[in-house]
Amino acid sequence: GNSVTQMEGPVTLSEEAFLTINCTYTATGYPSLFWYVQYPGEGLQLLLKATKADDKGSNKGFEATYRKETTSFHLEKGSVQVSDSAVYFCALSDSGGYNKLIFGAGTRLAVHP
Amino acid sequence: DTAVSQTPKYLVTQMGNDKSIKCEQNLGHDTMYWYKQDSKKFLKIMFSYNNKELIINETVPNRFSPKSPDKAHLNLHINSLELGDSAVYFCASSQENRGYTFGSGTRLTVV
Repeated sequence: GNSVTQMEGPVTLSEEAFLTINCTYTATGYPSLFWYVQYPGEGLQLLLKATKADDKGSNKGFEATYRKETTSFHLEKGSVQVSDSAVYFCALSDSGGYNKLIFGAGTRLAVHP
Repeated sequence: DTAVSQTPKYLVTQMGNDKSIKCEQNLGHDTMYWYKQDSKKFLKIMFSYNNKELIINETVPNRFSPKSPDKAHLNLHINSLELGDSAVYFCASSQENRGYTFGSGTRLTVV
C-alpha cells in the first residue's frame, strides 16, 4: 500500500543553519504531496504542497520539490529560526478518490539561538 | 471564526467510561475525518464521512463509533474506554482540490 518515510528526528540546529528533512514515498498512481507543521500544543497546519511531478511548493521560506524519479519530497529552508521549532510531517493524498492523507512518522526540529 | 472546532480540548476519564468528542466545521466542506495521533506523534486516519455517508473506516475497534448528523458535524463516541485509547484525536475537513483543514485536537487521557 501507499506509505511515507521521513528521516528520524530530532533534528537540532542553530539559528540561521540550513535545514533538510528527507521524505520519500511509495504510491500507486499520482498522489499529491504535502508538508504539515505542528507547533507545540497545537494542531496541524499545512505548510506547503505539490500536486504533480516537478512542482515546487513553497511557504515561509520553506521549499519542497515533487521528484517522481526519486519518489521524494524533501523539505528545505535556507536559514531556520527559533520559531521554526516544531514537528514536521510529510504526507501524501491517497489517489483512491477520497483524499485520505497518509502521514510519515514526523520529524521534530529544535532550533537553538 | 474557527474553521474546524473540536470540543473538549482536554478529556481525562477512567477506564470503562463512555465519552464523546464533537467536531464542527464552518467551511462548507463535504468531507470530514477523524485522525488519531499516538504518543509517538504518529498520525493515522480512523474514519471519513462525505455528506453524512461513511466512506472510510480503517481498522478501528468497534468501541469507536462516528456519527454525522449533518455535513458540518462529525462526532466520535467511544465506549468502554481503555488505557490504549489515550491519544490526541484530530478532526479535519476537506473539499475536492482545496486541501485539508485540521482542528486543534482533543487530548484524551484514560486513567
